[in-house]
Amino acid sequence: NAGVTQTPKFQVLKTGQSMTLQCAQDMNHEYMSWYRQDPGMGLRLIHYSVGAGITDQGEVPNGYNVSRSTTEDFPLRLLSAAPSQTSVYFCASSHKGRFQETQYFGPGTRLLVL
Amino acid sequence: AQSVTQLDSQVPVFEEAPVELRCNYSSSVSVYLFWYVQYPNQGLQLLLKYLSGSTLVKGINGFEAEFNKSQTSFHLRKPSVHISDTAEYFCAVSDNTGFQKLVFGTGTRLLVSP
Repeated sequence: NAGVTQTPKFQVLKTGQSMTLQCAQDMNHEYMSWYRQDPGMGLRLIHYSVGAGITDQGEVPNGYNVSRSTTEDFPLRLLSAAPSQTSVYFCASSHKGRFQETQYFGPGTRLLVL
Repeated sequence: AQSVTQLDSQVPVFEEAPVELRCNYSSSVSVYLFWYVQYPNQGLQLLLKYLSGSTLVKGINGFEAEFNKSQTSFHLRKPSVHISDTAEYFCAVSDNTGFQKLVFGTGTRLLVSP
């Protein structure tokens, strides 16, 4: 198993550009989510999905779109990048279990918006 | 809503010494508690979690944590640290309903020196 994979590892954007951060998992997990990590702030939940076709907003959803057409993939879209979106982005996945199943995190995408 | 406070941003310690990383939380509902570790340039890995039952939870790599409801704390301990334990440690909380929306603390950097 590759686990949770994220591409690209690093990206530089200009203000106003758009891009998609890719996330894939091969563990047949129902739940997937996106977090951003900023210095001194820990990780914050952006969007999450409880299954294909179902998404919902987290704590900091503004400026980001998501969709979940398959169980394996959960891309995060920035429609018009802003410097405030400079961050490290982590994708995570877990089973939909009866008790809090372990979330598995990808290696992250480091995004710099100029 | 939940929140997590990690008062120590950095904890320096010598190899083979004991260490305690502090975590306090606030919540109006029952919560689940987690400790994650992040090694440089990697994603997060679950160390341990408290769901219910025994308040002393043992995790990987010799770490343990104790849930104290009256003090709303979940401090992480290790009796003897190694150089390889140098990493960022995050405490997180989620409520006990549905999808696991993790709320993270700001992290504690553990620096182990010889």
